Amino acid sequence: KAGVTQTPRYLIKTRGQQVTLSCSPISGHRSVSWYQQTPGQGLQFLFEYFSETQRNKGNFPGRFSGRQFSNSRSEMNVSTLELGDSALYLCASSSRGETQYFGPGTRLLVL
Amino acid sequence: GQQLNQSPQSMFIQEGEDVSMNCTSSSIFNTWLWYKQDPGEGPVLLIALYKAGELTSNGRLTAQFGITRKDSFLNISASIPSDVGIYFCAGQWDSNYQLIWGAGTKLIIKP
Repeated sequence: KAGVTQTPRYLIKTRGQQVTLSCSPISGHRSVSWYQQTPGQGLQFLFEYFSETQRNKGNFPGRFSGRQFSNSRSEMNVSTLELGDSALYLCASSSRGETQYFGPGTRLLVL
Repeated sequence: GQQLNQSPQSMFIQEGEDVSMNCTSSSIFNTWLWYKQDPGEGPVLLIALYKAGELTSNGRLTAQFGITRKDSFLNISASIPSDVGIYFCAGQWDSNYQLIWGAGTKLIIKP
């Protein structure tokens, strides 16, 4: 089975711009979770989607949003980028009730 | 958001030494997971624990689900250079809830 894929792998944006990140889960997995990881920090949970519905949400401002499509692929959008949004954004997929498998992440740099 | 207490924060060890790290929580969990993250990559699942008191091995790695359900331990025996990385614990109450993560233990092997 192919693993979780994330695109793009690297991205440079400037403050005030918006960005969309994409995640393709493992085939058959219907749950996709997004995390933000900053240097030296653990994983901060953004949100989880299951069958196109947001099931859980972390404590991030409304500038962070996401969606899931009928094929379980998910996108995450950050609007009005700030310097502090520079981070590794990780996506993880799972079958319901099973453990999460992570993609390689998208490294976002905001200048 | 909620985070587990993971310790130590970092470890400098000699090749061949055994390593121990742990995670504690103020809440009980029904699942404990241990992941390893290499630089620039997403975390990879090492061991999953589903039952209080459970002791599970994966090669040189052994993890235990604490009997109180509020803690978990990971041991690495006879460390080798490729063990370098960041180890994360994660706990989950139920599959409908998000994973709660520790801040990570960075393992560094002294030359």
